[in-house]
Amino acid sequence: NAGVTQTPKFRILKIGQSMTLQCTQDMNHNYMYWYRQDPGMGLKLIYYSVGAGITDKGEVPNGYNVSRSTTEDFPLRLELAAPSQTSVYFCASSYSKGGGYGYTFGSGTRLTVV
Amino acid sequence: QKEVEQDPGPLSVPEGAIVSLNCTYSNSAFQYFMWYRQYSRKGPELLMYTYSSGNKEDGRFTAQVDKSSKYISLFIRDSQPSDSATYLCARGGSEKLVFGKGTKLTVNP
Repeated sequence: NAGVTQTPKFRILKIGQSMTLQCTQDMNHNYMYWYRQDPGMGLKLIYYSVGAGITDKGEVPNGYNVSRSTTEDFPLRLELAAPSQTSVYFCASSYSKGGGYGYTFGSGTRLTVV
Repeated sequence: QKEVEQDPGPLSVPEGAIVSLNCTYSNSAFQYFMWYRQYSRKGPELLMYTYSSGNKEDGRFTAQVDKSSKYISLFIRDSQPSDSATYLCARGGSEKLVFGKGTKLTVNP
């Protein structure tokens, strides 16, 4: 049981480049989330999805886009990368909306924009 | 006022010490309270989960919720160097989980 899988693990982007962070879960969870984590700042929610075809903004959505065409996959797209997007990105999934059974996190993607 | 407040530390203790990690929250409607452990360069993993008030014990770990004071705590007995990590509290209910910023703990051998 793989849980939540994120790729790539590390990436260096140049300013203005674009990339897609991949996230796949095999637990048949309807709810999926993208967070970024900066030192001392905790987890900030970028986007989330309550099911295939349904996505919504979190607290810090600017500069990012998402799509959810299947239950399993929830990719995060960075357009026109900026140094402010240097961070560690975590994807998570859950069985219930309110996190009643907790969230399962991936191992993260460490992104540097130079 | 942030929904979940957590002292960021860092906290450094000797091996074998009892560790107390704490969070406060502002909305009394919350039902679920959790603690996540995050090792360096890893994703957070669910450590303890409690529903409503009271204590929950799992080995050396005890999670405590005091709804009257809106206070949640994690106690680690006989702390080990392998407990060195960042600990994040979280609250849940009808909406998405809200996380504290995390407390970095170092247990020195």
